[in-house]
Amino acid sequence: QSVLTQPPSVSGAPGQRVTISCTGSHSNIGAGYDVHWYQHLPGTAPKLLIFGNNNRPSRVPDRFSGSKSGTSASLAITGLQAEDEADYYCQSYDTSLSGWVFGGGTKLTVL
Amino acid sequence: EVLLVQSGAEVKKPGDSLKISCKGSGYFFPSYWIGWVRQMPGKGLEWMGIIYPADSHTTYSPSFQGQVIMSADTSTNTAYLQWRSLKASDTAMYYCARGLGSGNQNWFDAWGQGTLVTVSS
Repeated sequence: QSVLTQPPSVSGAPGQRVTISCTGSHSNIGAGYDVHWYQHLPGTAPKLLIFGNNNRPSRVPDRFSGSKSGTSASLAITGLQAEDEADYYCQSYDTSLSGWVFGGGTKLTVL
Repeated sequence: EVLLVQSGAEVKKPGDSLKISCKGSGYFFPSYWIGWVRQMPGKGLEWMGIIYPADSHTTYSPSFQGQVIMSADTSTNTAYLQWRSLKASDTAMYYCARGLGSGNQNWFDAWGQGTLVTVSS
């Protein structure tokens, strides 16, 4: 079990908006550590989507956005497209573990 | 372009040793952290540890401390992940990734393609 909790799955129709939550604690997100998000299609290299809670690399479309509040963070995807179907992971630092941690991952299905 | 190219798939027996590699290009290799991430079959990503190639300073996840060895060679811009004695439970895909950020706020902006390690008798 990861110290960062994500829903196992979310789904949405093309064009809709979905959000993926990442719930931590006072030893990670709540301690002020940034949250980063990755998209992963099995068999390929994970791809950085969001860094520093809400910053997008230049190549990532603005349909993807991140936010953080208290001990949680969220990834929002608007204008859902078939190509968005993938696994999504949050990542932060945990002081209790003295290391970086990933959330358990969320599988996004585009209906 | 920042590229991380990993060594090819490996099939090993329990008890074998193994060293896989991750070669960086397109940036100054010594000055960026390299992290290693495991993905077991059907499971999520797990952070294993991180190494700073310039001085080989290494931090391991408690789950992997003593189980693997991370190293780096700045003359060849290559990072390594090593096992002395593999177990069947080491069967997984292993990714290397370049770390950006400062302090403990690191994120991974470029990833290798992964190395599949299969351990079976």
